[in-house]
Formats: sequence, structure tokens, C-alpha cells
Amino acid sequence: GAVVSQHPSWVICKSGTSVKIECRSLDFQATTMFWYRQFPKQSLMLMATSNEGSKATYEQGVEKDKFLINHASLTLSTLTVTSAHPEDSSFYICSASSTGPNSPLHFGNGTRLTVT
Amino acid sequence: GQQLNQSPQSMFIQEGEDVSMNCTSSSIFNTWLWYKQDPGEGPVLLIALYKAGELTSNGRLTAQFGITRKDSFLNISASIPSDVGIYFCAGPVAQGAQKLVFGQGTRLTINP
Repeated sequence: GAVVSQHPSWVICKSGTSVKIECRSLDFQATTMFWYRQFPKQSLMLMATSNEGSKATYEQGVEKDKFLINHASLTLSTLTVTSAHPEDSSFYICSASSTGPNSPLHFGNGTRLTVT
Repeated sequence: GQQLNQSPQSMFIQEGEDVSMNCTSSSIFNTWLWYKQDPGEGPVLLIALYKAGELTSNGRLTAQFGITRKDSFLNISASIPSDVGIYFCAGPVAQGAQKLVFGQGTRLTINP
């Protein structure tokens, strides 16, 4: 089945630094990928839609200058958390779908970000 | 926006018991998805439902797409320790959309 790989699985960084998270579709091409954030004991909240070859679409309340998304190829989207602060510590999860409106989303294994 | 209300929020059961959880919405969904999330991992798709009234099984799991298209149910029969985790219902924010909205999740704990 479809596989979505996320890297790194966890990262610790200092306040003020930037962190890049990669999301790859391993056996299919994804024109669209999605980035979610999940705080402890909460549900997944959509942050942005990553579109191959064009600008990402951000959900209300998500700062596009803080969470930079690049979708340069059909198999790779990256999320960069810029000038990270402790409140950015969270579980970031990407997802992708192969084709068609009824193709369910498959999720990566997530990246645990801890900002100290 | 669309919201999914999932219940119960948590369940504590004995191994071997059956489990039932549900998801409701004030608006109609044309697709219902059920995911399971283990600690520290991403959600894994369990069952996808595309038609009102549809009843679909995946091993010991059975899910139904409500007739009104405003609810869905997930049942787990004869629970085992590896069923522990958080179960999420999800649906597209609009027909044909790939963006999903998630329920709050049901945390399942099993006592051996």
C-alpha cells in the first residue's frame, strides 16, 4: 500500500533556531500533501495544504512566515519551523494521497519537535 | 466549519470485551474514515466508508456509515491488548476534498 515517510522522527532544538521536517511519498506521486499538528492528548489539526509547484495554503491562524512549506517535487514536501519557540513543541504529521477524490489519506509516522 | 463529535473520549475495558464508539456531525459527510493512532506514531487507516448505510469489516473491526450521513460507528469485537490506542473518525471538509477534519479521538485502554 501507499507509504508516506517522515524525517526526522524526533528533533530537539534551541529557541530561535529553525527546524526542517521532510515528508516523502515512497511509492506514489502526491501533488498535494497536508501538514497537521497534534498537541498532547488532542486531535490532529490541519495546518496547511502543500501543493506541488505552487504556494501552500494555510489554515486560519497558522502563520505562513513561521511555518514555511516547500513542495518542490511530486514526492517531497518540507515544513520548516522558523525561529522556533517552546510553544511550537508538538507532534507534526504529514499526509498524502495518491490520486482521485476517494483515495484515502495515508499518514507519515510524525515528527516530535521539542524546543528548549 | 465542520466538526466531528466523537464519543466516548476514553474507554477502559477488559481484554476480550467488545468495543463500540461513534462519531456524529451536524452536517452531512459523504465519506467517513476511521484511523488508529499508536503512541508516537501517525494515524493508520482502518476502514473507509463511502456510501450511506454501508457496513464494512476489517478483521475484528466493523464500521458503519449512518443512513443520515451524519454519523458513523466503529465496533471492535473480542478486544486484544494490541487494540490499545487512540481511534479517530475523520471526514473530508467538502465533497471530494482531500482535506480532513478529525474527531477528538477515543482513547482505548485494555486491562489484561
